This record gives sequence, C-alpha cells and structure tokens, in this order.
Amino acid sequence: DTGVSQDPRHKITKRGQNVTFRCDPISEHNRLYWYRQTLGQGPEFLTYFQNEAQLEKSRLLSDRFSAERPKGSFSTLEIQRTEQGDSAMYLCASSYLTSTDTQYFGPGTRLTVL
Amino acid sequence: EDQVTQSPEALRLQEGESSSLNCSYTVSGLRGLFWYRQDPGKGPEFLFTLYSAGEEKEKERLKATLTKKESFLHITAPKPEDSATYLCAAFPYGQNFVFGPGTRLSVLP
Repeated sequence: DTGVSQDPRHKITKRGQNVTFRCDPISEHNRLYWYRQTLGQGPEFLTYFQNEAQLEKSRLLSDRFSAERPKGSFSTLEIQRTEQGDSAMYLCASSYLTSTDTQYFGPGTRLTVL
Repeated sequence: EDQVTQSPEALRLQEGESSSLNCSYTVSGLRGLFWYRQDPGKGPEFLFTLYSAGEEKEKERLKATLTKKESFLHITAPKPEDSATYLCAAFPYGQNFVFGPGTRLSVLP
C-alpha cells in the first residue's frame, strides 16, 4: 500500500509534555497538509507545505505548534507544552499540484492530553 | 468568510431506502467541491470532485451533483456498509479546503 501513513496512531500524554507526530505522504506528491479534527466536526486546516516550503499557517496554529518538512519528503508536527484542548485527531493529507489538487488523507493520529 | 454547512447532521435509513445529503457552500470563488467518506477512527477517504454547476459523478450507489450554491450526494438503495460520516469540502481559489461538519449516515439492515 502506498498511501499516506502517520505515526503514531494513538498518543496519550500528560498536560505540559511535548509530542511529535510524523507523516509520510504519497511518494510523488509535492504538497502536504496538516489538519485537526475534533469529535463531530470536519477537519480544520492547520498548515501546508509545497515541497519543503511551508506556505501557509492557519490562525489555529498557535506558537506552541511547529511543523517541518525537511527535504520535501516526510513531515513532522510538534506540539509543545500540550494542553487538554489539544486533544483531537491530527490528520495529514498529500496532493500533487495540478488543477485538481485532490487531497488524500492518512489514518490520523489520535492525541489525548490528560 | 468562506463557509460550508451540511444537512442533515445525522440520517438513519433502512437498507434499500434511498435518500440525499446536502452540502451548502459560500465561498468567494469555487475551484472544486470534494466529497469524502470517513469511517470512525479513520482518515477521510476520497469519493468525488465536482468543478462546475450541472456536473454529476457516480460511483456504485453514490451520485454527486453540483449547483452554484449546493452539492448533493444521492445514495441509492444503501447497504449497511455505506454507514459512515460523509464530508464535503469547498476548495476556493487561492485558499485551502473548507470542510463541512459532515453527515453521519446509519443504514440499518
């Protein structure tokens, strides 16, 4: 299977701890997106990369959040000093820059902050 | 502000009972309208992209249609395995996807 993969699938942490998530996109895709989804809501855009450049960040992305995509391949999303409000599903998606720009999603990382 | 709403919030159908889900969007300029299916605890799975009013796309028991302000996902003779949350997303020019909250569909045998 060559879809989008995310690791870990589940993460439980205590408030104040730092966490890091990894996303591996579909290999030929040059765009990579991060979303956050809470129960009963649709995904909310956080940030996206085109190759290694981070082109846009949502106002939802506070200073405690940082994302990287070194060498334009996999990406990491780090949350520092986690808060209970950070508990959510973090989704990664990738696309190939064309007129269609269809985004394909990974299985997500479920974060629970105690 | 770009906005996407979906109705109903939840829908229960008997197996074989056809129905439609609605997605209403308000965006400054629509580049595409996307439908995804999401099973509990999993990421959204791509279904369709629609680009212009009047366009229709079909896949098995699903048919998606698009007007200038809405999109409909028609489900014909659904089966229990069609139970999922169906998400629509508007893709405005110069911006990123705006997702609706989804419709939770349950198909009872």
